[in-house]
Amino acid sequence: AQKVTQAQTEISVVEKEDVTLDCVYETRDTTYYLFWYKQPPSGELVFLIRRNSFDEQNEISGRYSWNFQKSTSSFNFTITASQVVDSAVYFCALSGKMGGTSYGKLTFGQGTILTVHP
Amino acid sequence: DGGITQSPKYLFRKEGQNVTLSCEQNLNHDAMYWYRQDPGQGLRLIYYSQIVNDFQKGDIAEGYSVSREKKESFPLTVTSAQKNPTAFYLCASSNGGSGNTIYFGEGSWLTVV
Repeated sequence: AQKVTQAQTEISVVEKEDVTLDCVYETRDTTYYLFWYKQPPSGELVFLIRRNSFDEQNEISGRYSWNFQKSTSSFNFTITASQVVDSAVYFCALSGKMGGTSYGKLTFGQGTILTVHP
Repeated sequence: DGGITQSPKYLFRKEGQNVTLSCEQNLNHDAMYWYRQDPGQGLRLIYYSQIVNDFQKGDIAEGYSVSREKKESFPLTVTSAQKNPTAFYLCASSNGGSGNTIYFGEGSWLTVV
């Protein structure tokens, strides 16, 4: 069975602080995909990043960066110089097999509520 | 605009009634999904469909039904058999295949009164 754990339920920071959201996953698949989504108060899930299990390169996109470490089964997300607009719930997710070679079924973590204060 | 459209945004249901949530996508995606979100529990998969006229149960399918008669449409019916239907429902779609990104609609809030 697959599992995603986001140990931090809530994080509160002051604007311009850096913040890291942790994600640990469990899977028996040798090929899998990891995702981060942002859920603002309006409710929709906004895609942030996808990473496959064969690519352990870290990625940076503006103020966002992601650290994937297969050895520790972790896929952590860092926001540098946080802003009030970053306030949202962030979900880490793991893509598993739906059947055959299709990887569309997502297993989500519980989510981390990030609040950035001005 | 391209995307996934869910309706209605807010829905109230009396106990014992069936309700249907609409999901339409114009992304030409093969696969579509329904997830349920409860506070503090993340999202859980209800049903998914990889192609037209085919769908599979997810982790919490009991009390729900779906159909996939058209590629762009994947409606979800919450039946009276669903014991605790009050939740936020999210529809999603993807191209299927290996690790394609799954995109979500804006969600529908269902409240049983």
